[in-house]
Amino acid sequence: SQTIHQWPATLVQPVGSPLSLECTVEGTSNPNLYWYRQAAGRGLQLLFYSVGIGQISSEVPQNLSASRPQDRQFILSSKKLLLSDSGFYLCAWSSSRGLGYGYTFGSGTRLTVV
Amino acid sequence: DQQVKQNSPSLSVQEGRISILNCDYTNSMFDYFLWYKKYPAEGPTFLISISSIKDKNEDGRFTVFLNKSAKHLSLHIVPSQPGDSAVYFCAASSFYGGATNKLIFGTGTLLAVQP
Repeated sequence: SQTIHQWPATLVQPVGSPLSLECTVEGTSNPNLYWYRQAAGRGLQLLFYSVGIGQISSEVPQNLSASRPQDRQFILSSKKLLLSDSGFYLCAWSSSRGLGYGYTFGSGTRLTVV
Repeated sequence: DQQVKQNSPSLSVQEGRISILNCDYTNSMFDYFLWYKKYPAEGPTFLISISSIKDKNEDGRFTVFLNKSAKHLSLHIVPSQPGDSAVYFCAASSFYGGATNKLIFGTGTLLAVQP
């Protein structure tokens, strides 16, 4: 069966520090991968998606970047965090064959920038 | 530009009664709709979906209705249980629209089921 792992679960980082959040998927190949953010009191905002290794599409201009160094690994990064980067970050995957049952989400990372 | 809207940020319902969560969309290219349930500090979990060729899909206590002419869908939970208390997100996509499978989510509705 397919599983998705996301870590760390919580993170407190000072303003100006770097960020690296990692997500890995098991039990499937060539998944579509996504990073979403839920800011306080807001909905789920799509940040990045990837349909293959090295293929990254950005949905919103921001202080973050994403990379996909391996087929089932998706990384969210920042060189210098801003206070506005605080939020709940979610990684998700879907089958490249179609939406079917939609996305499967990871358990999320609560990022607090202080 | 919010393409998927959930205009009710919260809803309170008595246990055993019906919960009705609403969602509106603006993009006529959307042809696949999903509902997700989210508990605090957890990732959303898939609940139920419907394609635009149907106007109703049922799964146990959960039923989703789609009104394409009004660009409106709703989720009915009958009977509501305290364990249903969570944030519910509506999401939409163009199912046959390409390889990206992008889902556009609404802002969510917090459902509180009172015992």
